[in-house]
This record gives sequence, structure tokens and C-alpha cells, in this order.
Amino acid sequence: EAGVVQSPRYKIIEKKQPVAFWCNPISGHNTLYWYLQNLGQGPELLIRYENEEAVDDSQLPKDRFSAERLKGVDSTLKIQPAELGDSAVYLCASSLHRGFAGELFFGEGSRLTVL
Amino acid sequence: GQQVMQIPQYQHVQEGEDFTTYCNSSTTLSNIQWYKQRPGGHPVFLIQLVKSGEVKKQKRLTFQFGEAKKNSSLHITATQTTDVGTYFCAGPLESSYDKVIFGPGTSLSVIP
Repeated sequence: EAGVVQSPRYKIIEKKQPVAFWCNPISGHNTLYWYLQNLGQGPELLIRYENEEAVDDSQLPKDRFSAERLKGVDSTLKIQPAELGDSAVYLCASSLHRGFAGELFFGEGSRLTVL
Repeated sequence: GQQVMQIPQYQHVQEGEDFTTYCNSSTTLSNIQWYKQRPGGHPVFLIQLVKSGEVKKQKRLTFQFGEAKKNSSLHITATQTTDVGTYFCAGPLESSYDKVIFGPGTSLSVIP
């Protein structure tokens, strides 16, 4: 069974440029998370989806970040415009269970460097 | 706000020594999960604890959930070089089940 797939693995852009990350969760997983992870820190939740509904986006900086999960499967996370402080690893995770009732499966992450 | 802390931040041990990391929450957690992240890798689920005072074992790893459901520990017996990585605890607030907080992690280095 394929795991959570993310792309691109690495992205280097200049500040003020846009960037987008894509995530394909494990088949059948209705819950999808986007996390941000800075070096030496734990993952921080950006947004959580239950199917196509964003049920928790309170930590998403909505002035520059946006996300969507059309049809309740794949998801994209966009940053426009990117700032130097956005350099981090963006992790996507999916779960069979709603909320935090079960295991989260993480993708390999997308490492963003903003110059 | 609600916080989850982990101590120590870093731990260096000789191969064969034991290792323990502690996770402490400022508020009651409904459950707690532990994840391991190898250098350059992504977090991988280890275990979930739900009941107050629960203890679970996985080979050399022992996990415990505190009686008050505010703290947890992970103990590794006789560390091996394959144990290298960062160990994160994570849990949702009992008052807001969907709000999940990850701890900052404990980074383990094992000297062969």
C-alpha cells in the first residue's frame, strides 16, 4: 500500500515568489493534515481537513497561505508571496480516524528554502 | 496557552545504556501518541496510550501514561544505533479533542 505522497521534496525560491505543495493521502483516509516543521522543533498544525471540509485552520496565516482539498482526496498548500521566515519543512499527514483518535501517517515532507 | 514540553532536549548515550524522555502537558490530554523521526526523515508513529496509568511495551521500548493524564514517558532499554532520532509526544486537549499539540521532541544520539 502506498504511503502519503508529497511533492516537490525540495523547493528553493526567492522571497515574494509563490509556491505550492501537493499531497496525496493514503487511500481511504478522510482526515488530512498540513503541518509546518522548523528545524529542531515539533510539527505545528496549519490546517486539518475532514473530507473536503477544513475543520481547523486557526493556525493558518490566511494573508499568505491557502489550502484546498477538492473532492476530499488530494490537497494543495499554497504560499503567496513567500517570506524568508517561511523556510521550513511542510509535512502532510493522513489518518483513517477523525480527530486524533488514531495513527497519523506522514509523508516525506516538502522542504522549502526562501532566499 | 496549552503547552507540551519534553525533557531532555538532547541526550547522548553510549550504545547499551538506557534512555528515557519525559513529556509533560500543562493540561489534561485525552490520549497521547509517540512518534520517532530519524535524521532527514518524517515522523513515524510508535504507539498510542489512552488510559490513565497505562503502560505499553514494544520490545526494548516502554511507554507510560501518567495517572493524571498530563505526563508520559518513553524508556528505551539497552540503546542501539538504530534508536537514533528525535522522539515526539503528541496529544489532543481533553477539553478540545481535535486540538493536537506536538512536543518539541527529544533528540537521541547513540555513540557506538
